[in-house]
Amino acid sequence: GAVVSQHPSWVICKSGTSVKIECRSLDFQATTMFWYRQFPKQSLMLMATSNEGSKATYEQGVEKDKFLINHASLTLSTLTVTSAHPEDSSFYICSARDPLRGNYEQYFGPGTRLTVT
Amino acid sequence: QKEVEQNSGPLSVPEGAIASLNCTYSDRVSQSFFWYRQYSGKSPELIMSIYSNGDKEDGRFTAQLNKASQYVSLLIRDSQPSDSATYLCAVGGNAGKSTFGDGTTLTVKP
Repeated sequence: GAVVSQHPSWVICKSGTSVKIECRSLDFQATTMFWYRQFPKQSLMLMATSNEGSKATYEQGVEKDKFLINHASLTLSTLTVTSAHPEDSSFYICSARDPLRGNYEQYFGPGTRLTVT
Repeated sequence: QKEVEQNSGPLSVPEGAIASLNCTYSDRVSQSFFWYRQYSGKSPELIMSIYSNGDKEDGRFTAQLNKASQYVSLLIRDSQPSDSATYLCAVGGNAGKSTFGDGTTLTVKP
């Protein structure tokens, strides 16, 4: 149980375009999902908390107009990187909590590797 | 001071030895603690969670928690080359968020 998927697993896009990444909880309903970014050999950086049916909560320093998050259902959250630039190239990982488990365990998706050329 | 601190490593142990990974945290009221394993190029995978003082064992893994000392550790017995990875300590906080340490890279040498 507690399986999280992400799509796509990797994407290459041109500078100035937008990219949408999907995060799905496959066998549970996730009221809360998290989006992280990880640069090579660096630690996880929390970008935002995505709550179903409400606006995402962004961490300090993360541009909410550049990284659009939508959590329209209990099993799907999307992250759209708008007007992507090469410095946005990174490993984007989502995680989800299963509220029925009543704890803070996070289950991670496999990640999406974004390369902006 | 970081909220969650781990030994930067890298840590190298021979196959079959015990690997000991340590983590300290600053928020005294924290109640939930996790260890994640992250292989190179992959996303983190939850391997242990612990909520009460003492030891919790799962196979070759033992998590130890001491809330008074604000310390949590992970022991890996009979270490295998497949255990070579970065281990992330995480502490649960408000709104379900977890704060992650920077990770300790473990190498198990055959």
